[in-house]
This record gives sequence, structure tokens and C-alpha cells, in this order.
Amino acid sequence: DAGVIQSPRHEVTEMGQEVTLRCKPISGHDYLFWYRQTMMRGLELLIYFNNNVPIDDSGMPEDRFSAKMPNASFSTLKIQPSEPRDSAVYFCASSIGQGRTGELFFGEGSRLTVL
Amino acid sequence: AQSVAQPEDQVNVAEGNPLTVKCTYSVSGNPYLFWYVQYPNRGLQFLLKYITGDNLVKGSYGFEAEFNKSQTSFHLKKPSALVSDSALYFCAVRDILTGGGNKLTFGTGTQLKVEL
Repeated sequence: DAGVIQSPRHEVTEMGQEVTLRCKPISGHDYLFWYRQTMMRGLELLIYFNNNVPIDDSGMPEDRFSAKMPNASFSTLKIQPSEPRDSAVYFCASSIGQGRTGELFFGEGSRLTVL
Repeated sequence: AQSVAQPEDQVNVAEGNPLTVKCTYSVSGNPYLFWYVQYPNRGLQFLLKYITGDNLVKGSYGFEAEFNKSQTSFHLKKPSALVSDSALYFCAVRDILTGGGNKLTFGTGTQLKVEL
């Protein structure tokens, strides 16, 4: 079975540019999470979806960040405009919800560098 | 809110020696606890979990973890470390979400370095 697929794996961009990160969760999983990892702050949950609906976006740092899940097999995290402090590794993870014990399955991450 | 703490930023151990990576938790209700491992430039991989039952949980790659309710701890262990075990290890606790889903809250991570 294919795992969680993220693209791009690496992105280098200049301050002010728009960045779009993509995620394909594992088929059949009804929860999707976006995490950000930095040396300073560790792993932070940005937002999660249940059945394509955003449930909690309280971790999104500011209005420059937005996330969508138009269908069960695709999600995007967008940063517009990007800033150097957004440089981090962004992970997407998916899981099965109701009645399960809660393992998350992570993608390989998208490493973002904003110059 | 549920939380976990990993008191050590780094653990160094010689190959062949036993290793322990520490984790303590703070939860309301019964804890669901997890360990994940992250190799360089990779995503997090599930190692093991404690839900209920036996306090000694066995997982992938020869790792095990001991749940101790009185000490609110869930330490990761391995009897004999390998150089290839060198990685970043995360402890996590489950938050039950409205509607029955699950969210994991992670600790700050412990870098394990196994040397020859």
C-alpha cells in the first residue's frame, strides 16, 4: 500500500512568493493532519481535517497560512506571502478515526526554505 | 490538555549497551501513549503504542516501552543498541477528539546517538 505522499520534497523560494504544499493521504483514512517541524518549536500541529472538513485550525500561525481538502485524496497547505520564518519541514499525516487507537501515518515531509 | 515531556535532548550510548529514552505524561483519564522514530530527512515512523493491558509493550526493531502508572512514565528501551538506531525519538499522547477521532500531541524529541 502506498503511504502518505507529499510534494514537493524540497522547495526553495524567495520572500513574498506563494508556496503550495500538497498531500495525498492513505486511502480510507478519514483524518488528515498538517504538522510543522522546526528546531526551535519542535512538532506543531497546524490544522486537521475530518472527512475533508477543517475541524481545528488554531495552530495555523497567521492569516498567511491556509489549508484546503477538496476531496478525500488531496489536501493543500498554502503560504501567501511566504516569509523566511516559515522555513521548516511540513508534514502531512493521516489516520483512521472512530474506534481506532490513533496511530498517525506520516509522509516524508516537504522541506521549505524561504530566502 | 494531554501532554508528554521528554527530559533529555540527547542520549548517547555505546553499541551493544542497553538504551533508555525517557518520557513522562500528563493526561486526564486513561493514557494512550506512542513512540515514533524519525531518521534524517524522513517522516516519523510508528514504533509502538500502549493502550491497555500489559505494562511492557513490544514494538518494531526490537524496541519496547514500559508503562508505569505510578510514575506517569512511558520510557522507551532496547536491550542492545545498534548504530543504526541513531535517530530522533518522539513520545506522543492521544487526545480524543469530538466525534471519536484522534489527535497526537508530541514531545520535544530526544536525539539518540549510538556509537561504536
